[in-house]
Amino acid sequence: QKEVEQNSGPLSVPEGAIASLNCTYSDRGSQSFFWYRQYSGKSPELIMFIYSNGDKEDGRFTAQLNKASQYVSLLIRDSQPSDSATYLCAVKGYGQNFVFGPGTRLSVLP
Amino acid sequence: DARVTQTPRHKVTEMGQEVTMRCQPILGHNTVFWYRQTMMQGLELLAYFRNRAPLDDSGMPKDRFSAEMPDATLATLKIQPSEPRDSAVYFCASGLPSAGGPPNQPQHFGDGTRLSIL
Repeated sequence: QKEVEQNSGPLSVPEGAIASLNCTYSDRGSQSFFWYRQYSGKSPELIMFIYSNGDKEDGRFTAQLNKASQYVSLLIRDSQPSDSATYLCAVKGYGQNFVFGPGTRLSVLP
Repeated sequence: DARVTQTPRHKVTEMGQEVTMRCQPILGHNTVFWYRQTMMQGLELLAYFRNRAPLDDSGMPKDRFSAEMPDATLATLKIQPSEPRDSAVYFCASGLPSAGGPPNQPQHFGDGTRLSIL
């Protein structure tokens, strides 16, 4: 069974710090990796996706992928209280369905 | 700004009643997903359509749930009869095909239907 694991948190960081969110996956055939942010009572919204090994940066967000270690992470620089949410990691292989992790709850303290 | 539209936003009904949830995917998206989210189970995939054809509904209880896509602009999820354990938020998401592009396109979620079965 394909699995995606995340620490449930809560992960607490002070405002302005770097928040590091981690995700591991079991299926070596996975090709696409997505990070969604979900505020309480709202729907998930896509914030980053990455297909290739290495880093991908978008504003304050950086996604890091290491396929050999089956590990993907999301770094949030200069964390803001508005970043407080649950972050869902999703993994997909070619022709496969998306598999979502349980999410990590992030709390950015003012 | 293109969005996935779900109706109703909220539904409260009694056990045993039929529930129908509707989803209008983003125009041009040919993949549609139905998810259920609860505190205990997180986000669970119920069904997945491509070009209106069901590709995977293994996550859906077959005896009471059914999912259809009568046309490219409408997907439906029905529960009959409903039970209290079906209480959850049901999300619809749509996406583009991946042929010729990056391996897999991301999904775009609707606002969800919050379902309460009494």
